[in-house]
Amino acid sequence: KAGVTQTPRYLIKTRGQQVTLSCSPISGHRSVSWYQQTPGQGLQFLFEYFSETQRNKGNFPGRFSGRQFSNSRSEMNVSTLELGDSALYLCASSFGLGTQETQYFGPGTRLLVL
Amino acid sequence: EDKVVQSPLSLVVHEGDTVTLNCSYEVTNFRSLLWYKQEKKAPTFLFMLTSSGIEKKSGRLSSILDKKELFSILNITATQTGDSAVYLCAVEATEKLVFGKGTKLTVNP
Repeated sequence: KAGVTQTPRYLIKTRGQQVTLSCSPISGHRSVSWYQQTPGQGLQFLFEYFSETQRNKGNFPGRFSGRQFSNSRSEMNVSTLELGDSALYLCASSFGLGTQETQYFGPGTRLLVL
Repeated sequence: EDKVVQSPLSLVVHEGDTVTLNCSYEVTNFRSLLWYKQEKKAPTFLFMLTSSGIEKKSGRLSSILDKKELFSILNITATQTGDSAVYLCAVEATEKLVFGKGTKLTVNP
């Protein structure tokens, strides 16, 4: 079974631009969560989607948004990029909702904002 | 192919027990190994290990890395029900983070 895939793997943008990251979950998984990891820090939860609906949201500004498609693939969008948005963005998928569900992480997208 | 393997996948203990969680890895360009505790959707950072043989401690939790044998352990002494969670191990390689599947720890009163 193929794992979680994320594209692109690397991105370089400049301040003020916007970016869209993509995540394809494991086949059959309906929940997709997004995380941000900055150097030296742990994962920070961005949001979770299940059946095309945002179910949970972390404490991030409105510049961070996402969506999920009917095939469970998810995209995350960051508008008006700031230098502090430089980070590794991780996507994780699981079969269902709930904290007991095992999450499988993708390799991440490394975003550098100049 | 880079991989991180955690064992056991799940563990049920009683309060007061000591547990050891294992993480072995095979990655190219190893940078660090990280442990997280995941109770809800947002994992909590526990430790970052970069050097072999140096134990890191935080209260009842401790962890050590063996870069020669390519593994790490996470110890929890005098477990409490609040320690119930999924413990994730991740290895940072060049430009990516590879996660294990986690160990689900259940501590019963």
